Amino acid sequence: DTEVTQTPKHLVMGMTNKKSLKCEQHMGHRAMYWYKQKAKKPPELMFVYSYEKLSINESVPSRFSPECPNSSLLNLHLHALQPEDSALYLCASSQEGGGGGTQYFGPGTRLTVL
Amino acid sequence: AQSVSQHNHHVILSEAASLELGCNYSYGGTVNLFWYVQYPGQHLQLLLKYFSGDPLVKGIKGFEAEFIKSKFSFNLRKPSVQWSDTAEYFCAVNKIGAGSYQLTFGKGTKLSVIP
Repeated sequence: DTEVTQTPKHLVMGMTNKKSLKCEQHMGHRAMYWYKQKAKKPPELMFVYSYEKLSINESVPSRFSPECPNSSLLNLHLHALQPEDSALYLCASSQEGGGGGTQYFGPGTRLTVL
Repeated sequence: AQSVSQHNHHVILSEAASLELGCNYSYGGTVNLFWYVQYPGQHLQLLLKYFSGDPLVKGIKGFEAEFIKSKFSFNLRKPSVQWSDTAEYFCAVNKIGAGSYQLTFGKGTKLSVIP
């Protein structure tokens, strides 16, 4: 089973709203990732958690706040977003906490910021 | 910084035609190599991967790819495409080393298969 689940599938929010994206995997993977994908573009890495600790923040604006409550869950808290933040947000996980393994992607949350 | 180049932005083929999508990367060290596919409206799925060993790797749905180290290439092939292969294909590279989480994607190749 290589399933990564994400909720919600779609999210529409205003620029003053606070919302959260959720990601879950039960494969025992030790690294989890957030990516942003704009239409017709490849995914861009935002954050990496390794062994539940933030390992990489790719200079993401503070209006995006990741959280890893436990080894199976990854959240992305959103606040005061801009319309240009509208995109598909993908979660991924990989078995190796130190990186270098196969990343398995969830279906994504399609976010629209009005 | 490593980069990944996919030579073709959009490829249009008739059913049963053969497919080859090019991928080159620019990192000189040890790498893991991947091809992902994204069908319309669906999420990224792993097609195949190369870590070590036989440079010719076989993936799902009849796809294969060949790693040529001297050319820094990892081209994707399929002998006979089907309409259902219509999708976006991404090559991705991950360099090996401590904390090597970065999966660098190419810009993608859109494949359209005409019935």
